[in-house]
Amino acid sequence: DGGITQSPKYLFRKEGQNVTLSCEQNLNHDAMYWYRQDPGQGLRLIYYSQIVNDFQKGDIAEGYSVSREKKESFPLTVTSAQKNPTAFYLCASSPSPQREGPRTGELFFGEGSRLTVL
Amino acid sequence: GNSVTQMEGPVTLSEEAFLTINCTYTATGYPSLFWYVQYPGEGLQLLLKATKADDKGSNKGFEATYRKETTSFHLEKGSVQVSDSAVYFCALIPYTNAGKSTFGDGTTLTVKP
Repeated sequence: DGGITQSPKYLFRKEGQNVTLSCEQNLNHDAMYWYRQDPGQGLRLIYYSQIVNDFQKGDIAEGYSVSREKKESFPLTVTSAQKNPTAFYLCASSPSPQREGPRTGELFFGEGSRLTVL
Repeated sequence: GNSVTQMEGPVTLSEEAFLTINCTYTATGYPSLFWYVQYPGEGLQLLLKATKADDKGSNKGFEATYRKETTSFHLEKGSVQVSDSAVYFCALIPYTNAGKSTFGDGTTLTVKP
């Protein structure tokens, strides 16, 4: 079945360690996104990529890094510079805005990865 | 900038009650509007959407109408079920579709038997 796969589902990290969250999609979508979700809050955009080998910072990019070497994959690294990394991380994808045109933009989400810093 | 404001929760209803979750937005031009639902421990999934003024999105008994004059996209369901218990997010994407959705803070719905 087509979809988005995030791994691991749960991750524990010690302070000062970098961790990488995996996101893979087989929907043939050009655009991919990483969001952070904290309790009682909406989703905040960390990074997004609209095409391979290109990505842009979202609203809260500090302390995070990404790469987009393949269309299917958009891993997120949470670095030791991120002051409060404990959160639920959601990866999403969407068809290319250029192909779908404006007024679309539906997001397809993975199941999420819950990161806890000990 | 763009913003989405949802009614504060949590909302608790009895089974078969009528549901309204308010959503208003601020955006330039004509954004597309969405409702997403998140069940416990899962990611979000699209519930319904509307892409122009006066459009009505509907799915699984839920409805929402794009009202440009009041900049609103309220979610309604005539008779809720226990299985509707979840967090509901209102969201918009700008007309230029720069790829950056804006989400509300989410409203937690609990339906009791």
